[in-house]
Amino acid sequence: SQQGEEDPQALSIQEGENATMNCSYKTSINNLQWYRQNSGRGLVHLILIRSNEREKHSGRLRVTLDTSKKSSSLLITASRAADTASYFCATGEYGNKLVFGAGTILRVKS
Amino acid sequence: SAVISQKPSRDICQRGTSLTIQCQVDSQVTMMFWYRQQPGQSLTLIATANQGSEATYESGFVIDKFPISRPNLTFSTLTVSNMSPEDSSIYLCSVSGIGANTEAFFGQGTRLTVV
Repeated sequence: SQQGEEDPQALSIQEGENATMNCSYKTSINNLQWYRQNSGRGLVHLILIRSNEREKHSGRLRVTLDTSKKSSSLLITASRAADTASYFCATGEYGNKLVFGAGTILRVKS
Repeated sequence: SAVISQKPSRDICQRGTSLTIQCQVDSQVTMMFWYRQQPGQSLTLIATANQGSEATYESGFVIDKFPISRPNLTFSTLTVSNMSPEDSSIYLCSVSGIGANTEAFFGQGTRLTVV
């Protein structure tokens, strides 16, 4: 079952602009993770934020978590054409299972 | 980190047949998972592969359709049985570290088309 919705479903921006993706979830979580998938291949882990954290940075990535609203956002700054991919949030649950959101397709135009 | 080799990377199969997908990890891991990604969709967990015991299946998935083996701590197989076109998906193997807050690593996936 899907954890929740991601919005937008698709996002098209120019190179150099910032991209923001949002994710909502339904249940209590241990953590929330963001993954990137290029062209329907394997997923690459981007960042993990624990349920007791509110914000985390990694390079050009910034993730926020609001457990009261059961939502998270992923910000990619100064986007590049190579950032074109599908982005998924996933909540880490009991037994280290992941429940994925619907995903956002990001296209960065050069 | 963990490096996962998944085979085959893609296959086209006739309906009614079965396909076994292999997942090899470069280190011993406790948790191994199999996911399905239907066309244009997100990932859905099929089952958790447990070493030394039967796999634990998620709601909507059954052992007769998706038998799983886990003979040791570095290897698992997923079989898609009696395939129909609705089984056309990407199947992904994943491993996770020990502990409640660890990232997951994914194989490159097996793109299955059933005709």
